[in-house]
Amino acid sequence: GAGVSQSPRYKVTKRGQDVALRCDPISGHVSLYWYRQALGQGPEFLTYFNYEAQQDKSGLPNDRFSAERPEGSISTLTIQRTEQRDSAMYRCASSPREDRRERTGANVLTFGAGSRLTVL
Amino acid sequence: RKEVEQDPGPFNVPEGATVAFNCTYSNSASQSFFWYRQDCRKEPKLLMSVYSSGNEDGRFTAQLNRASQYISLLIRDSKLSDSATYLCVVTFRNQGGKLIFGQGTELSVKP
Repeated sequence: GAGVSQSPRYKVTKRGQDVALRCDPISGHVSLYWYRQALGQGPEFLTYFNYEAQQDKSGLPNDRFSAERPEGSISTLTIQRTEQRDSAMYRCASSPREDRRERTGANVLTFGAGSRLTVL
Repeated sequence: RKEVEQDPGPFNVPEGATVAFNCTYSNSASQSFFWYRQDCRKEPKLLMSVYSSGNEDGRFTAQLNRASQYISLLIRDSKLSDSATYLCVVTFRNQGGKLIFGQGTELSVKP
């Protein structure tokens, strides 16, 4: 697609329910990142993928959080047994193929609009 | 201590002022550096990469000081439209491809 698409934009759920947040990256982008952002804070790294392989999941807060990208395109972030402290904006970002990256050699991220999760 | 730290501000400046933000990082295995801009209730967007020799893009100048482990962003002739939160971003060689964001510095430019 033209940009990074996230759904749902807003999700209100009751404590203890499972939620799944979806990210559709820019077509052809190799890398896909998940971040969480609290109000007044910068994005906090959760996990990232190159193609379908999860490269780093060190930022996932606990084992209730998981992510997958089975075909190397769309990704789903799942939160099981949600708690009130899980309430935040969840942001997905993607970055392009190796040969289109900035000359610094690192990823340049394009973010989606985010999914705002509220756990009651 | 956070890996990437910024003064949260807010910085309140008049139009036309010059304003500078600093960002410090704690891991000496730093690799790449960026400044992102985030408007209220919007997603972060890349403002500029930061190169070792320093770089300029119009009214914006970015500097890197590896020895002191900080980067800076200078905005000259501030415009009302520069009001936003500026996020410092660093990658580290020993942490793969993940980008670490600072908490952001809020800038408010007043008429």
